[in-house]
Amino acid sequence: AQTVTQSQPEMSVQEAETVTLSCTYDTSESNYYLFWYKQPPSRQMILVIRQEAYKQQNATENRFSVNFQKAAKSFSLKISDSQLGDTAMYFCAFMKRRTLNRDDKIIFGKGTRLHILP
Amino acid sequence: KAGVTQTPRYLIKTRGQQVTLSCSPISGHRSVSWYQQTPGQGLQFLFEYFSETQRNKGNFPGRFSGRQFSNSRSEMNVSTLELGDSALYLCASSLVAGGTNEQYFGPGTRLTVT
Repeated sequence: AQTVTQSQPEMSVQEAETVTLSCTYDTSESNYYLFWYKQPPSRQMILVIRQEAYKQQNATENRFSVNFQKAAKSFSLKISDSQLGDTAMYFCAFMKRRTLNRDDKIIFGKGTRLHILP
Repeated sequence: KAGVTQTPRYLIKTRGQQVTLSCSPISGHRSVSWYQQTPGQGLQFLFEYFSETQRNKGNFPGRFSGRQFSNSRSEMNVSTLELGDSALYLCASSLVAGGTNEQYFGPGTRLTVT
């Protein structure tokens, strides 16, 4: 069974600093997706970034980038020039690439609560 | 386009009762997934519906059930409520099923069981 581990339950950084959130996963699959989701306080969860395992290039979305190490099964999220609005719970998630008759539910880590301090 | 809506937003029930939660996906989206979020267990997948068919199911007891209607709206039912069912229930919709399709989450229904 797949598992997703986020080893940092809570982190705090100063505004404008760079912060890296860790995520490791365990799977025997070779084709899958990895995601980072952001859940701001009392607001809806949104997708931050997505990585397809067959793509070696690390995904980037503006100030958000990932360091995807497939062999190490590591998928960390880097937030550059952090802003107060980045304060949120961040979830790392895994999904097997969908094929017929295969189990492909999304599996989330327990989350990292990130505080951006003014 | 209107986002994913969930009703009700808050609910208080007592043990043994049953509850029905509703989710209206973004217009045009055909896939709806349900999740349970608790401080202890985090986010756990409940089930996914696509074109009125359950495509996937998480590891929850049979007290948790769902359905999807022809307009893609989905309902989730929990029977014989237990204290441990207190949680934020999130639904998410996507155009079709699959990891290449971004899921859009609703605000959630916070269920408290007393």
